[in-house]
Amino acid sequence: SQQGEEDPQALSIQEGENATMNCSYKTSINNLQWYRQNSGRGLVHLILIRSNEREKHSGRLRVTLDTSKKSSSLLITASRAADTASYFCATDRGSTLGRLYFGRGTQLTVWP
Amino acid sequence: GAVVSQHPSRVICKSGTSVKIECRSLDFQATTMFWYRQFPKQSLMLMATSNEGSKATYEQGVEKDKFLINHASLTLSTLTVTSAHPEDSSFYICSAREPGLTLYNEQFFGPGTRLTVL
Repeated sequence: SQQGEEDPQALSIQEGENATMNCSYKTSINNLQWYRQNSGRGLVHLILIRSNEREKHSGRLRVTLDTSKKSSSLLITASRAADTASYFCATDRGSTLGRLYFGRGTQLTVWP
Repeated sequence: GAVVSQHPSRVICKSGTSVKIECRSLDFQATTMFWYRQFPKQSLMLMATSNEGSKATYEQGVEKDKFLINHASLTLSTLTVTSAHPEDSSFYICSAREPGLTLYNEQFFGPGTRLTVL
């Protein structure tokens, strides 16, 4: 079964607006990662946040992690049409063996 | 750096045939590779972990005789879908990990292979 649940499952916004996606998980983790996937393509790694971190930034991306609530959020600021893609969170379920378990994803559409 | 390729990118086959998908790490040695499958508009499901020189570890519910994985070298893992049926039609994605390249659990993903079984 999949590890996490993202919400919303679909998000539609205008260029320039901010997009917030949430992810929940059920087990302990070492870290949580966010990936992006353009339609029918492979995954691009966006950002990794460790379990002892609460917030991390990378360019227009801001990720938060609340291990007490077992949840994470991905914020994309000043969105662009090129940000249109599916976004997935993935966790390791506390393993160091490298396996990743993905959430269902959020389909983000940014309208020009 | 850290590029992973897959071949073929698309394959269409008849029901009952076997299909082999290759996953290569182009500029690093991948001690571990992972295979995922993804149905349309759904998430990636981890199928198996492939370690160079040893047997693959399959996730619960994945038939190891159906999905044969071989990781014969540090740069190549193959997934063979045996006796493929229409329900095996899916997007298969591999990823590779080389602990020396990354501090944590980061993986590098291939572009995926679209399998259609008629």
